[in-house]
Amino acid sequence: DAGITQSPRHKVTETGTPVTLRCHQTENHRYMYWYRQDPGHGLRLIHYSYGVKDTDKGEVSDGYSVSRSKTEDFLLTLESATSSQTSVYFCAISAGQGGYEQYFGPGTRLTVT
Amino acid sequence: AQRVTQPEKLLSVFKGAPVELKCNYSYSGSPELFWYVQYSRQRLQLLLRHISRESIKGFTADLNKGETSFHLKKPFAQEEDSAMYYCALRLQGAQKLVFGQGTRLTINP
Repeated sequence: DAGITQSPRHKVTETGTPVTLRCHQTENHRYMYWYRQDPGHGLRLIHYSYGVKDTDKGEVSDGYSVSRSKTEDFLLTLESATSSQTSVYFCAISAGQGGYEQYFGPGTRLTVT
Repeated sequence: AQRVTQPEKLLSVFKGAPVELKCNYSYSGSPELFWYVQYSRQRLQLLLRHISRESIKGFTADLNKGETSFHLKKPFAQEEDSAMYYCALRLQGAQKLVFGQGTRLTINP
């Protein structure tokens, strides 16, 4: 599992509240990613990080922010959760041959009511 | 724009039958293609990478640049192959992947 954990694994929250999801890795990988998984859309990249304090936007970044103050932790924050952000969120790291293979965390199921 | 298309949302075949999951991509550069699989209640895991040219769990995939395709094939499906399959494209020089919409494969006994 490439030493990737996510917390919480499940969360229910109300519209308008802030939510932070955490991704933790134990193997010092440089690149980390946040995706959301929705039926009919597959996986879509939200944000990614290429080092401590170095982040960039993905294709669906509106309404999300990220932070990476330590190599091992990559946080995803929903500033004011909306029902459209109900989804399963996956964290990933790059590793393997050439560093181009991605390995995923177990996912966080977020429900915004 | 770069795009990965998996035309079948759902695919159902009988155990022992051949299976082919289609993946087409749109990209003008030199592509690198992957297949990922997600079994029920498990995390996504890498199944195949075209550069490796390996056969994993009996699955193979060949990159066809002329047809811009990377179809996943297995000659004899097994019940444990039931899962969600995603095709993904890595852009030249980038560390990001673009995923297709996924195909849910069901193997019937």
